[in-house]
Amino acid sequence: EAGVAQSPRYKIIEKRQSVAFWCNPISGHATLYWYQQILGQGPKLLIQFQNNGVVDDSQLPKDRFSAERLKGVDSTLKIQPAKLEDSAVYLCASSLDLPRREQYFGPGTRLTVT
Amino acid sequence: GQQVMQIPQYQHVQEGEDFTTYCNSSTTLSNIQWYKQRPGGHPVFLIQLVKSGEVKKQKRLTFQFGEAKKNSSLHITATQTTDVGTYFCAGPVTGNQFYFGTGTSLTVIP
Repeated sequence: EAGVAQSPRYKIIEKRQSVAFWCNPISGHATLYWYQQILGQGPKLLIQFQNNGVVDDSQLPKDRFSAERLKGVDSTLKIQPAKLEDSAVYLCASSLDLPRREQYFGPGTRLTVT
Repeated sequence: GQQVMQIPQYQHVQEGEDFTTYCNSSTTLSNIQWYKQRPGGHPVFLIQLVKSGEVKKQKRLTFQFGEAKKNSSLHITATQTTDVGTYFCAGPVTGNQFYFGTGTSLTVIP
């Protein structure tokens, strides 16, 4: 079975620019997660979708971050405008259902903000 | 503040030595999961524990879930160079909010 796909793999932007990341979860996985992983730290959950509804976005900086999962499959995460502290790896994961199920992670997008 | 803490943050062992990482949550967890992340890679699911006091084994790896469901441990017997990576515990701390621990980075010296 195909894994979680993410693109791009790397992105370098200047501060105040905008950027978008794309994620395609494993087929049939209802739950999709976006994480931010800063170097040397554990992944931090930004937002969690169940199908196309938001389950939790309490740690998403909503003044600059947004995410959508319109058809309950693919998802995009956007940052506008970016700040230096947004430099991190953005990981997408999916699971069959709510958090009690194992999560499968994509390769991540490494974002560098200069 | 940080909801799920792990100790130690770093561990260097000689190949063949044992290794243990400990995970502590500020609140009771309905379940706990363990992930391994190789350098430059993404987290990979290892196991999930659900019951109080549960112990599970995977070859040289032994996972325990505390009686109060607020702590857990991962023990590796006779480490190998393939065990190198960062080990994270993770779980739903409040409702559906899923928190990863701070991680323990394991280096195995051949």
